Amino acid sequence: EAAVTQSPRNKVAVTGGKVTLSCNQTNNHNNMYWYRQDTGHGLRLIHYSYGAGSTEKGDIPDGYKASRPSQENFSLILELATPSQTSVYFCASGDPGGDTGQLYFGEGSKLTVL
Amino acid sequence: GDKVKQSPSALSLQEGTNSALRCNFSIAATTVQWFLQNPRGSLINLFYLVPGTKENGRLKSAFDSKESYSTLHIRDAQLEDSGTYFCAAEGTGSKLSFGKGAKLTVSP
Repeated sequence: EAAVTQSPRNKVAVTGGKVTLSCNQTNNHNNMYWYRQDTGHGLRLIHYSYGAGSTEKGDIPDGYKASRPSQENFSLILELATPSQTSVYFCASGDPGGDTGQLYFGEGSKLTVL
Repeated sequence: GDKVKQSPSALSLQEGTNSALRCNFSIAATTVQWFLQNPRGSLINLFYLVPGTKENGRLKSAFDSKESYSTLHIRDAQLEDSGTYFCAAEGTGSKLSFGKGAKLTVSP
């Protein structure tokens, strides 16, 4: 079974602080994604990656950076957290476009910025 | 505008009845995925589709890339089907765009 693990699962941060959300996958997928979920917006793509060393901007990248140091790990970095970044963040891995391209999601990370 | 529009946004069913959810795309979607977010918040992949149809138990999904839409049919709804259903369309560069979800409530 495909596995995507996020940490931390819950985080409270202060405005202006730095937050790093980590994601690990054991699926050997090339692509990894970071989404945020907010009421009324569904899931919105922040950053994604095609493989180690690659990061690409999604639809709402402002205020976020991403890092993909290896095939397995993909981090989302908030250098200066703001209350508007309070949300639930989901990481996913998958290689859409082939015969078995479904995305597998982690359990989510709830971030509260005070 | 929204790249993926889901309808309806919410619906209520009685156990044993049938329903259909729909997604319309304003992008040239090449593949579509359907997810169920359960009450605990976990996102479960239901279907991954290239143009065509797939069936899994009481669920059936179709994707028409020419007409830019996808449907998810639920037959004989059960209480455990409750949750929020999302569709996602793959556009250029393996980017998946999600709809805003359809909240389904199944009651006895």
